[in-house]
Parts: sequence; structure tokens; C-alpha cells
Amino acid sequence: GQQLNQSPQSMFIQEGEDVSMNCTSSSIFNTWLWYKQDPGEGPVLLIALYKAGELTSNGRLTAQFGITRKDSFLNISASIPSDVGIYFCAGQGAGGGYQKVTFGTGTKLQVIP
Amino acid sequence: GAVVSQHPSWVICKSGTSVKIECRSLDFQATTMFWYRQFPKQSLMLMATSNEGSKATYEQGVEKDKFLINHASLTLSTLTVTSAHPEDSSFYICSASGENEQFFGPGTRLTVL
Repeated sequence: GQQLNQSPQSMFIQEGEDVSMNCTSSSIFNTWLWYKQDPGEGPVLLIALYKAGELTSNGRLTAQFGITRKDSFLNISASIPSDVGIYFCAGQGAGGGYQKVTFGTGTKLQVIP
Repeated sequence: GAVVSQHPSWVICKSGTSVKIECRSLDFQATTMFWYRQFPKQSLMLMATSNEGSKATYEQGVEKDKFLINHASLTLSTLTVTSAHPEDSSFYICSASGENEQFFGPGTRLTVL
């Protein structure tokens, strides 16, 4: 089956620092997604990427869809305490929202004030 | 964005009993809904795809007779965990499909004693 591996698995950073996390897949996806999940809640979409090579920003977040369509990265600049949570990359096949989402292994981010 | 609700938000039951979890799209109609399961410190794993008016499609390894899914209307899908056992204790999350995006519910924490 499809596997999405994220790195790092977890990270501690100082408030104000930039963060970078990666995701690689054994399969090609048409859409790459990045979600944030707070404890006891469902995932919330941060950024969606639809084209290979696409670089998209959402406030302090920047993500890129790899050229090979098998990888993506997420950067968070100037981290703040509320950035704490688990970040998941996810891939989706052709068909937009009607296709199942395959989630990565997750990166747990902790921000030290 | 669109809102998806789940009910209940948490449930504790005795081993051997059945539990029903509801997933509702509150402000849009969803022909397709998905059910995920998340064990502690793990990622979300897709259990099944639910299409309105037809039988659900289950992922490999998910017992369809144990996890009954009904999608009787465009705004409601239900997941019934039959004869629940402690190993079924998990965080169950649904999502509802819009044209370009899936919208996730807040999750239901199931604890089987």
C-alpha cells in the first residue's frame, strides 16, 4: 500500500525559530496536503498543493509540491507557542475532494517559549 | 470552511456492546464521506469510504461486519462498532467531501472497558 514517511518524527524548537519538515511517498499523488492536529481534535487543513513544483504560502507557512510528485516539505517561519501540535502530510489521487486521503506518519512540534 | 460534526464526542462502553457514531455535514451536502481511525501517537488510517445510497467500500483488513457504515442521506453517515472490544478503543474521525476538499470532523473518542 501507499506509505508516506515524515521527518523528523518530533522536534523541539525555541519560539521565533523557523521549522522545516519533509514528507516522502512511495507513490505519486495528484494533490499534496498539509494538516495540523491538536490533541483530541480532528485535523485542520493548512495548505493544499495541486501541481508538481508548486510553492504555496499561507501566512507563516510555506509548502512545496515536489517535482517528482513523491515528496513535499512544509516550512513554518518565526514559530509561536500556538504552533504546537502534530503536523501531517497527506496525499490524494485524482478526483479532488472525493478521493481518499492517505496520511503521513506525522511530525510532533513543540515550541519552547 | 464547511463544518462537519460528530456525535458523540466521546463514549465509554462495556465490552460486547455496540456503539453508533454519527457524522454530519452541517452546511453542505456530501455524497462521499470517509471514516478514519487513529490509535494513540499514530496517524489517521482510512477504514472505509461511504457513498450516499450505496454500500461502503472498506479498506483491506477492516471487518465490514464489525464496522457497519450507513450513509442514508447527503448530510449523515453513521459508523456502528458492533460487539466492541478493548482493542477497538480509538479515536474515530470522519470527513465529508466537498468538490475540492475534504472537511474533517472533530473526532469521537471510544473507550471500551
